[in-house]
Amino acid sequence: SQQGEEDPQALSIQEGENATMNCSYKTSINNLQWYRQNSGRGLVHLILIRSNEREKHSGRLRVTLDTSKKSSSLLITASRAADTASYFCATARNTGTASKLTFGTGTRLQVTL
Amino acid sequence: EAGVAQSPRYKIIEKRQSVAFWCNPISGHATLYWYQQILGQGPKLLIQFQNNGVVDDSQLPKDRFSAERLKGVDSTLKIQPAKLEDSAVYLCASSLMWGQETQYFGPGTRLLVL
Repeated sequence: SQQGEEDPQALSIQEGENATMNCSYKTSINNLQWYRQNSGRGLVHLILIRSNEREKHSGRLRVTLDTSKKSSSLLITASRAADTASYFCATARNTGTASKLTFGTGTRLQVTL
Repeated sequence: EAGVAQSPRYKIIEKRQSVAFWCNPISGHATLYWYQQILGQGPKLLIQFQNNGVVDDSQLPKDRFSAERLKGVDSTLKIQPAKLEDSAVYLCASSLMWGQETQYFGPGTRLLVL
């Protein structure tokens, strides 16, 4: 089952603008991760935020996590055409000997020139 | 460092046929995952190996899907017999160990069942 629901499902912006994607989830987590998937390719890990963190930065990426609201957001600043891809949030839960990632439904980002 | 390798990249079969996918994880990665990604959805975990042992196969349709990871390195995922709804991209990922949060994904195998 899909743990995360992402919003919006699709987003179209112009190069140089900022893009914000939101993710909501249902159960307790150890951490939340964001991945990018270019068309026809595998997923690439972008950033991880732990359950006791509220904000994290990596280059042009900023992630926030609100565990009380069970939600996260990914901000991409000064977007580029190369940022065009699908973005997925994934929640991680450690259960005994397994660490399980559950992915959301994804946001398709289109950055135009 | 070489990434996760998968083959074949594409496969077209008819329903009720069998198919197998192969994955070679990043060298030294103890944990290996198989995901199914249906068009328009996020990946869904099918099975997770720690070395050559299964630690989670709760979402694997065991009546038709099987997977093995002999010697704790390469892995194969098999579907027998295939159904139309098995059309999807099958992604393999690996991580250094369980609890090491970052997973590294291969390019996937795109399966079309006619």
